[in-house]
Amino acid sequence: GAVVSQHPSRVICKSGTSVKIECRSLDFQATTMFWYRQFPKQSLMLMATSNEGSKATYEQGVEKDKFLINHASLTLSTLTVTSAHPEDSSFYICSARARDSQETQYFGPGTRLLVL
Amino acid sequence: QKEVEQNSGPLSVPEGAIASLNCTYSDRGSQSFFWYRQYSGKSPELIMFIYSNGDKEDGRFTAQLNKASQYVSLLIRDSQPSDSATYLCAVCPWGYQKVTFGTGTKLQVIP
Repeated sequence: GAVVSQHPSRVICKSGTSVKIECRSLDFQATTMFWYRQFPKQSLMLMATSNEGSKATYEQGVEKDKFLINHASLTLSTLTVTSAHPEDSSFYICSARARDSQETQYFGPGTRLLVL
Repeated sequence: QKEVEQNSGPLSVPEGAIASLNCTYSDRGSQSFFWYRQYSGKSPELIMFIYSNGDKEDGRFTAQLNKASQYVSLLIRDSQPSDSATYLCAVCPWGYQKVTFGTGTKLQVIP
């Protein structure tokens, strides 16, 4: 149980394009999903917290207009990187918190984004 | 002071030995504690969580929590080369959504 998927697993795009990443909880309902970014050899950085049916809460320094988050259902959250630039190249990881758990987060496999 | 502190390592142990990973946290209101393992290039996977003071064992892994001293540790018995990874400690205050991660300790198990 507690499986989280992400799609795509890897994406290469040109600078200026937008990229959408999907995060799904496959066998549980997730009231809260989190989006992280991780640069090589660095720790996880929380970008935003997404609650189903409401606006995401962004961490300080994360541009909400650049990283659009939608959490339309209890099993799906999406992150759209708008007008991507090379400095946005990173490993993007989502996690989901089960509706009936305390605070345990289950991570998706991550999406590796390369912006040329 | 960082909210969750871990020694970055690398911590090197010989195969078959006990690996001891430590984590301290600053928020006394923290109630939930987690250990995640992250292999290079992969996302974190949950190993254990612990809520109460004392020890919690799961197979070769034992989590230890001491709220008075504000530390949580992870022991890995009979370490295997496949245990080589970065171990992330995560802490969450009671009733609060956001979990704070440490920067991780890199463990190397030498065959």
